[in-house]
Formats: sequence, structure tokens, C-alpha cells
Amino acid sequence: KNQVEQSPQSLIILEGKNCTLQCNYTVSPFSNLRWYKQDTGRGPVSLTIMTFSENTKSNGRYTATLDADTKQSSLHITASQLSDSASYICVVRASGAGSYQLTFGKGTKLSVIP
Amino acid sequence: GAVVSQHPSRVICKSGTSVKIECRSLDFQATTMFWYRQFPKQSLMLMATSNEGSKATYEQGVEKDKFLINHASLTLSTLTVTSAHPEDSSFYICSAIREQGGSVANYGYTFGSGTRLTVV
Repeated sequence: KNQVEQSPQSLIILEGKNCTLQCNYTVSPFSNLRWYKQDTGRGPVSLTIMTFSENTKSNGRYTATLDADTKQSSLHITASQLSDSASYICVVRASGAGSYQLTFGKGTKLSVIP
Repeated sequence: GAVVSQHPSRVICKSGTSVKIECRSLDFQATTMFWYRQFPKQSLMLMATSNEGSKATYEQGVEKDKFLINHASLTLSTLTVTSAHPEDSSFYICSAIREQGGSVANYGYTFGSGTRLTVV
């Protein structure tokens, strides 16, 4: 069964500090992995997408890494801001013709406090 | 680019009534859209896959007659919750696929802003 596990479930950090969120997956065959940011009461917004051959990808203060061998990914947030408070969701897509479906993690709820 | 508009953002309805939620791709054509439901502190759960011009494909356990999906054009899919009950109260989110760079692997999934449904 395809699964995506995220840790920690929740995290509180001080403004300006860095943090790293983890994602382990068992989706196979693997196509790509995406990180989304979801503000409370809003739809997810894409941060990064990585395919099998990509090890790291950055989007501003967000840097995602992917280790396809160990099936692990991380999202590193640098110099956190209050607006970073949100849920961060790891999403993995399996490959295959016509395979559009995604497997979602439960997300990590990040709270950035002043 | 790749904007998906979802309306309404919030709706309260009486038990037994029906509610329609719209999902529009504003600047691209989406042959495939998805409808999700999300309960508090849970991940998004796929309800159905909506294909333009054909019947939707529902996930196991999702009642077709209760959650009516219509994808009549390349830019609009609607989800109608019929005879809503309090247990249908949830956050409903749509997403649309936009092909990027001709690569299947890089299909972009753009999400709508979600609809908070409360059935009283």
C-alpha cells in the first residue's frame, strides 16, 4: 500500500530560526515528490516538485531534498517568518500511464512564534 | 499562471438541502480535475476524479448519488452534495491538472482554495 509518513506532526519554532521537516514514503513505482504549504482554511500551494533524478530543489527560503534510494525527503525552512506558520504536506505521485493520483502525508503543522 | 478558483469558500446549509461547489481553471484547460475532502488534522482524501465529457470515477466508499460531479467543460467541474447531513460537514478541495513541458511526470497539480461546508 502506498503511504507517506511525515514527522514531526507539529513543530513550534522562534521567528528567525531554521527548521527541517521529514517525509518518508513507500509509493512505488515513484514518479515525483511535492511539498505543499497549506494555510488554515485554504487549499495547498505548491512549494517544490522533484523527480527521481533530482536531489535538491530550492524555492526562496524553502529547500527540499530527496533521497530516492532511502525514500526520504526533507523540507528545510531558513530564517523562518511568522507567515511560515502553516501545515506542510508531502505528496508523492506514482508513475504509470494515466496515473494521476497522489498519495498525501498528513502534514506537519508549523507554528512560528515571535 | 495555473490558477484554480473554487467557490464558495464557505457555506452553511440546512440538513436535507443540496449544495453546489464550483471549481474553475482560470488560465488553462483541465481535462482532469480531482475532488478531495479534508477533516481536521487529516490529510486530503481523494473522493473522485472528474474527467471532462465523461462520468466521474469515484473512490471506494464515496457515494455517487450523494456527491454528484459534473465536468461539462474544460474549465469547470462542479461537486453537488445532495441531501446534506451534519456528517458531510468538511473542507472540500478541488485540484486541476496542467501539463507542463510535455512531461507526464511534471503534470502540475493546482489546488483551489477550498470550501468549508457546515451542515446544521
